[in-house]
This record gives sequence, structure tokens and C-alpha cells, in this order.
Amino acid sequence: AQRVTQPEKLLSVFKGAPVELKCNYSYSGSPELFWYVQYSRQRLQLLLRHISRESIKGFTADLNKGETSFHLKKPFAQEEDSAMYYCALSGSGGYNKLIFGAGTRLAVHP
Amino acid sequence: SAVISQKPSRDICQRGTSLTIQCQVDSQVTMMFWYRQQPGQSLTLIATANQGSEATYESGFVIDKFPISRPNLTFSTLTVSNLSPEDSSIYLCSVVGGQGGLDEQFFGPGTRLTVL
Repeated sequence: AQRVTQPEKLLSVFKGAPVELKCNYSYSGSPELFWYVQYSRQRLQLLLRHISRESIKGFTADLNKGETSFHLKKPFAQEEDSAMYYCALSGSGGYNKLIFGAGTRLAVHP
Repeated sequence: SAVISQKPSRDICQRGTSLTIQCQVDSQVTMMFWYRQQPGQSLTLIATANQGSEATYESGFVIDKFPISRPNLTFSTLTVSNLSPEDSSIYLCSVVGGQGGLDEQFFGPGTRLTVL
């Protein structure tokens, strides 16, 4: 079954602390993995995708096919990082429907 | 990027009635999606709506309950029929767009539905 698991509903850290939002997936094939973010009173938007191998707002995510994980990391959290983060996957071979995880709320305290 | 608007932004409806949600995009797109986000839950795909063909529904969603129209490449509607309190959710439309060979899925602001 195709599934995305985000085990933490809430992650609370202090400013400057490292952050790791966990994401594990189940998919038969080669999926594309994404992280979406929703800031307060804003719409859902793409943060990064694994095929781009880029760092956005200091966040990075590495696809580990052996562990079927795509954890989101940032070495030093900022208060403006506080948001809801969703891990999602899409089937390979073009842009298909997205399967979302339950989401993790990141709260960065001063 | 694609700019998406949805109407209404929120509504409160009585049990047994229907609500039609409109999704307008500022550019022509082939693929449009409708998602549901129930309270405290993640986003779940309801259906894919492509212009010129019938919508494709995901498991657990049927056309009688969620009829969809896609009259052109910039517009779609989702109707939630015979409302019950369990239909209280945020409904979002999204489109695929992009440039440079990297497609991206853009989301509308959502429609918050409360069923009494």
C-alpha cells in the first residue's frame, strides 16, 4: 500500500536548535518525495523535492531508499520556521496525485 | 507559478443540502485535483479533473456524492451533495504547473465547510 508516515504531530524546539522532521514512506516503485509547508493563514506550498537536491530556507532532505525515509532537517531553527509541514509522495513517470502524511507542526520558541 | 482562487472561502450548511465550490486558475492547466482535509487529518485526494473527460475518483469517493465539472482549462467546480456533519472539512483544489521541466502542484486557499 502507498503510505506516508510522519510519526510526530508536534515538534517543539528553541530557536537555534537543530530540527529533524521525520518522514517514512511505503511505495512499490520509485516515488518522488516532497515536503510541503503551510504557514499560519497561508496556503500550502512546496518547500522542496528530492530530485532537486536543493536547500530551501536552510532546510534539506535526503531520500534514503534503504530506510524508505525522507527526513527534513535544518541545523538552526528560526522562529519563522514555525508552520505545519507535510511530507508527500507522487508516483514516478510524471506528475501524479500526491499522497500526504498526517503532518507535523513545528513550533520554534524564542 | 499558478494563482488559484476558490469560492466560497467558507460556508456553514444544513444537513441534507449541497455546496458547490468553485476553483479558478489564472492560466490554462490540464490537470486539476480536488482534496479534502478533515479536522486534524491530512489531505486526501478526492478526484482528478481533466478538461474534456470525466473526473477520476479515488477509492472511497463517488460521483453521486462529489460531482465535478471541468468546463474549460481554467475552471472547475466540486459539489458536495447531501451534506452530513462528517463532510465538515477543508476542500482544496490544486493544479500542476511549472517551468524548466520541473512540474509543481499549486494549491488554492481552501474552502472551509461546516455542516450543522
